[in-house]
This record gives sequence, structure tokens and C-alpha cells, in this order.
Amino acid sequence: GAVVSQHPSRVICKSGTSVKIECRSLDFQATTMFWYRQFPKKSLMLMATSNEGSKATYEQGVEKDKFLINHASLTLSTLTVTSAHPEDSSFYICSARRWASGRIRTDTQYFGPGTRLTVL
Amino acid sequence: QKEVEQDPGPLSVPEGAIVSLNCTYSNSAFQYFMWYRQYSRKGPELLMYTYSSGNKEDGRFTAQVDKSSKYISLFIRDSQPSDSATYLCASMDSSYKLIFGSGTRLLVRP
Repeated sequence: GAVVSQHPSRVICKSGTSVKIECRSLDFQATTMFWYRQFPKKSLMLMATSNEGSKATYEQGVEKDKFLINHASLTLSTLTVTSAHPEDSSFYICSARRWASGRIRTDTQYFGPGTRLTVL
Repeated sequence: QKEVEQDPGPLSVPEGAIVSLNCTYSNSAFQYFMWYRQYSRKGPELLMYTYSSGNKEDGRFTAQVDKSSKYISLFIRDSQPSDSATYLCASMDSSYKLIFGSGTRLLVRP
């Protein structure tokens, strides 16, 4: 399967600081990446859709000035949590959309391993 | 009503049992359906996807979609302790967004 990496895997920061999380598709190009947030024992909540070369599309209720997304290349999207607060502590997961090709008849999303953010 | 509903479990079975995981969805426009497996503190891993109605088999896993009843199933044969994880069903909408169920926690006891 396709490989998507995230960095860092874990970060602890002080309240008020900003944290950047990177998402990379390692063996395919991804014009679209997605950012999710997951609370303990809960399902994934889509935060935003990141499109290469254009502005991200945010889901309702997600503050775009709080969660800055940049998709500067076909293999890299970044999420920056600005002025982080304890309530931003969560598991952040990205996915990269891979276009249908060969035996795979539909676009599929491959997920990164996630980044656990703890804001003190 | 959530667009994709899934029983959160947990579901506990003995090793070797056949596991049945199920979801229902409400949007009849959904065409593609996925099953992801997520181990604790890891990202989801794509297990299988199906298009429209029908069955799809891959090793010990069988995915089934019944569009008439809007029912999605994943069967695991000869379950192993390593299958213990959270299983997420998902449907893809027309903008390629995934709509996830809440996930079912599965525990396979040795």
C-alpha cells in the first residue's frame, strides 16, 4: 500500500506556542490531503481539505486562523496549530488522496501514523 | 442522524471465531465504501474498499455492501489476537471526503 508519513509523531508544547505538523506522501503524488482530529476512543473528525497550490477548505466550526494549512508541493502538507491551548491537545492525523489507477478503481485515502499533541 | 452509523462495541471473541462488523449509512448517493483498521495510537490502515453492492474477498477478510438496505459488513474468518483493533467503516461522498462511522473496538482473546 501507499506510504504516508507524519512528523513529529509526538509533541509537547507550552500554552501559547505554535506547533507545525508535516504530512508527506512518500511514494505517490497527492494533490489533495486531508487533516483529521481524533479524540480518545472517538472516530476521526475531518478538519480541512488541503489542495496543492490553493487555499485549504475548512469544515464548519474549524477556525482557519487557528489551524493554518499549507500544501506547497505534491508530496507535502503542513498543519500549524497557532497559539496552542490545552484544549487543542489531541491526536492529529493526515491522509493523502491517491488517484485511481490500475486495479484500484477509485480514489483512496492513505493515512499517516498520526501526531499526538499535548499542550501544557 | 449520522450519515454512517456503527456500533462502538467493544466486541470480544475467542481466537478462531468468525467476526462480523456492521455499519449502516443514510445517503443513497454513496458509491464507495471502505474499511479501515486502526491500532491504538496509530493512523488508520486501509483494509478493503468496495464499489456499489456486492462482495469482495481478500484473504481472511470479506467486505459486503447491500445498497438496498444501506448495510455495510466486514467479516473476518479465523480471527487472530493480532486482529484486535478498532475497525472503521467509511463511505466516500462526491467530493472524495470520507464519512466515518464511530468505529468498533474488536478484541480477539487467545
